[in-house]
Amino acid sequence: DVKVTQSSRYLVKRTGEKVFLECVQDMDHENMFWYRQDPGLGLRLIYFSYDVKMKEKGDIPEGYSVSREKKERFSLILESASTNQTSMYLCASSPALGSGPYQETQYFGPGTRLLVL
Amino acid sequence: AQSVTQLDSQVPVFEEAPVELRCNYSSSVSVYLFWYVQYPNQGLQLLLKYLSGSTLVKGINGFEAEFNKSQTSFHLRKPSVHISDTAEYFCAVTEGATSGTYKYIFGTGTRLKVLA
Repeated sequence: DVKVTQSSRYLVKRTGEKVFLECVQDMDHENMFWYRQDPGLGLRLIYFSYDVKMKEKGDIPEGYSVSREKKERFSLILESASTNQTSMYLCASSPALGSGPYQETQYFGPGTRLLVL
Repeated sequence: AQSVTQLDSQVPVFEEAPVELRCNYSSSVSVYLFWYVQYPNQGLQLLLKYLSGSTLVKGINGFEAEFNKSQTSFHLRKPSVHISDTAEYFCAVTEGATSGTYKYIFGTGTRLKVLA
């Protein structure tokens, strides 16, 4: 089974703090994604990465950055946390194009619920 | 630009009753369609997907969905729900691969509440 783990289930931070959210997948997937989930808004893509050290902005990248130094790990960074970044953050991974019947399927971690005070 | 609409934010239904969760999409090209489920305090897991072929797709836990191209819909159905089906359900669409991967657009979700 694909396993995507996220470093924390719950996190409480202060405004202005630098926040790191970590995600690790164990299925050698090329692609990794960070979403935020808010009530009534569904999931919105923040950033994704299609290879080590490669990244692309999603729909709502402002206030966030990412890092992918190793294939299995994808980090989301809030440079200076603000209260409007209080949300549920979901990480996902997917196999490479051409890899087979599951290439278009994304596999999700359990989420990190972040509260910024 | 593609978009996904889930008109029902909440759907209450009694146990053993049938349910339909609605999903409509907007796209000018062929799409792939997905339904994901999120149980309380968990991440999302794939219920079923439509890529091509038969328009009736069967998924896990007795769910099925029908792709209707003329109505641009992909409604999710189950003939008899259980308490354990209480969860949030998300419809998602992708127009195909860009930058080496498939990017999804998600709907806003439908909370299914199964009542005893």
